[in-house]
Amino acid sequence: EVVLTQSPGTLSLSPGEGATLSCRASQSVSSRYLAWYQQKRGQAPRLLIYDASIRATGIPDRFSGSGSGTDFTLTISRLEPEDFAVYFCQQYGNSPNSFGQGTKLEI
Amino acid sequence: QVQLVQSGGEVKKPGASVKVSCKASGYTFVSHVISWVRQAPGQGLEWMGWISNYNGNTNYAQKFQGRVTMTTDTSTSTAYMELSSLRPDDTAVYFCARIRQQWYSNGAFDIWGQGTMVTVSS
Repeated sequence: EVVLTQSPGTLSLSPGEGATLSCRASQSVSSRYLAWYQQKRGQAPRLLIYDASIRATGIPDRFSGSGSGTDFTLTISRLEPEDFAVYFCQQYGNSPNSFGQGTKLEI
Repeated sequence: QVQLVQSGGEVKKPGASVKVSCKASGYTFVSHVISWVRQAPGQGLEWMGWISNYNGNTNYAQKFQGRVTMTTDTSTSTAYMELSSLRPDDTAVYFCARIRQQWYSNGAFDIWGQGTMVTVSS
């Protein structure tokens, strides 16, 4: 199973700043099949990025994804108040699917 | 609009079974695979498996093999996940989620149900 390690565990920033979240895989992720999700308390996750760098429908362009192989990054430019949440990465290129443990983005 | 609506919360005793439903609307049900994911309180996301709503094929995570059964009813556009031999550490929110790409069993999850809280306690 591919183990995904996210860093940092918690990121403290202010609105207007930029954020960089990392997701490292224990082995190469096939075909860049990596996604990023945002989850707010008491809600289901929301798909932000799939296939490492493609924004999902309706996702603002301040969210961007990059990376390949074992190293992936989610970048959020100009943080808005509603962006403070927990972010998970997921790989779906190798069976079984697996998720990272999450990064909490806090004010 | 495209949505998945899950059944309500459940409280079960250890050793019992639970069956969670996930009703789809707003899209062609059979063309998208449904996955199930759970989240223990304060924890991360754990993939449980998927079911093809087209032919009923399933793929379960090894951890749940023998305890989980995923089924589908195309007449009502509803997917089901049944977990048996429940233990206290099965206490979690259970989500169904649609795989984004039609006809693929591998993919990102673009639509999620609201989640179903399952509590296992004696």
